[in-house]
Amino acid sequence: DTEVTQTPKHLVMGMTNKKSLKCEQHMGHRAMYWYKQKAKKPPELMFVYSYEKLSINESVPSRFSPECPNSSLLNLHLHALQPEDSALYLCASSQVQGMGGPTDTQYFGPGTRLTVL
Amino acid sequence: AQKITQTQPGMFVQEKEAVTLDCTYDTSDPSYGLFWYKQPSSGEMIFLIYQGSYDQQNATEGRYSLNFQKARKSANLVISASQLGDSAMYFCAMRDIGNNNDMRFGAGTRLTVKP
Repeated sequence: DTEVTQTPKHLVMGMTNKKSLKCEQHMGHRAMYWYKQKAKKPPELMFVYSYEKLSINESVPSRFSPECPNSSLLNLHLHALQPEDSALYLCASSQVQGMGGPTDTQYFGPGTRLTVL
Repeated sequence: AQKITQTQPGMFVQEKEAVTLDCTYDTSDPSYGLFWYKQPSSGEMIFLIYQGSYDQQNATEGRYSLNFQKARKSANLVISASQLGDSAMYFCAMRDIGNNNDMRFGAGTRLTVKP
């Protein structure tokens, strides 16, 4: 089973709203990732969690706040977003992070399409 | 710096024919991994195939094969017997130790399969 689930599928929010994106995997993976993807562009890495600890933050604005409550769950808290933050947000997981080899293969969820008005 | 190049923004192929999607990469690390993903219009990134830099043989997964030419730093994806459902965006990606093992993606190639 290589399933990563994400909720919600679609989200529309105003610039003053607070919302959260959720991601879940039950593959026993110990690394989880958030990506942002604008239309017709490749995904861009935002955050990496390895063994529930934030290991990489790709200089993402503080209006995005990640949280990893346990090894299966990953949240992305959103606050005071801008219209340019509208994008597809993808969650992924891999067995481990940074060991090299096929265990680095990332499996992605279906994404959340976010629109900021 | 690590770089992934996909030079074909769009490709067309007739149903049941084979197609090759190009990918070249640049890294100074001896150990790295190469990946191909498919992204249909629904948005999900679907993992297709993996090739390790030390793997002696080209990777294959069903109708997908990776033409790995290490000296040329190329990792082309070959899809045999194309199907209408293969129409999607295809991304080549690489992870290497020198880049924190972050996965970096090429710009992508949009493949359209014609009936």
